Amino acid sequence: DTEVTQTPKHLVMGMTNKKSLKCEQHMGHRAMYWYKQKAKKPPELMFVYSYEKLSINESVPSRFSPECPNSSLLNLHLHALQPEDSALYLCASSQEFPSNGHETQYFGPGTRLLVL
Amino acid sequence: GENVGLHLPTLSVQEGDNSIINCAYSNSASDYFIWYKQESGKGPQFIIDIRSNMDKRQGQRVTVLLNKTVKHLSLQIAATQPGDSAVYFCADFETPDSSYKLIFGSGTRLLVRP
Repeated sequence: DTEVTQTPKHLVMGMTNKKSLKCEQHMGHRAMYWYKQKAKKPPELMFVYSYEKLSINESVPSRFSPECPNSSLLNLHLHALQPEDSALYLCASSQEFPSNGHETQYFGPGTRLLVL
Repeated sequence: GENVGLHLPTLSVQEGDNSIINCAYSNSASDYFIWYKQESGKGPQFIIDIRSNMDKRQGQRVTVLLNKTVKHLSLQIAATQPGDSAVYFCADFETPDSSYKLIFGSGTRLLVRP
């Protein structure tokens, strides 16, 4: 199994809603990532978890709250988002945290989020 | 990303021809590069990678060339097919704050004409 799965595929939410994005991998990978991708742009890193601990937070606003319940699951909790947060949210995983810059990351299909 | 860029935003090729997608990088310390393919509505898909101790690596119908002298890499796709239509990103690991982060180039859209 070399797949990273994400749910839901699409999500529409209002600015007062609370929702969660889910990501799962069963490759035994110990590093998991959240990226944000705007239209016609490359993915941008948001968070990195290594061994279920938050390792990197790229100064993401607190309305995005990541959670790693176990080594296979990664959630992104959303609250009070803004329309400019509409984007494709990608989850990725790698065998280990890239301590030497040689870890291939495998991406899920993404959740396309629209904030109204 | 800041240090990984692409020469052409869109490349149009005839089906059956070879495609060459180029990428320049500025960090001479970069030593691992990845090419990803992203089809419409999907996440980036790993295609091929190369380490700096190599100048060429081949996969199935794809070849990556690395020229460290001019900090340039390219992705060559042989006998391009309609299914190759996608945006292609090169990426490398950079350490802006001592943590290794995967930084993507701006992407090249490959259009395959039937």
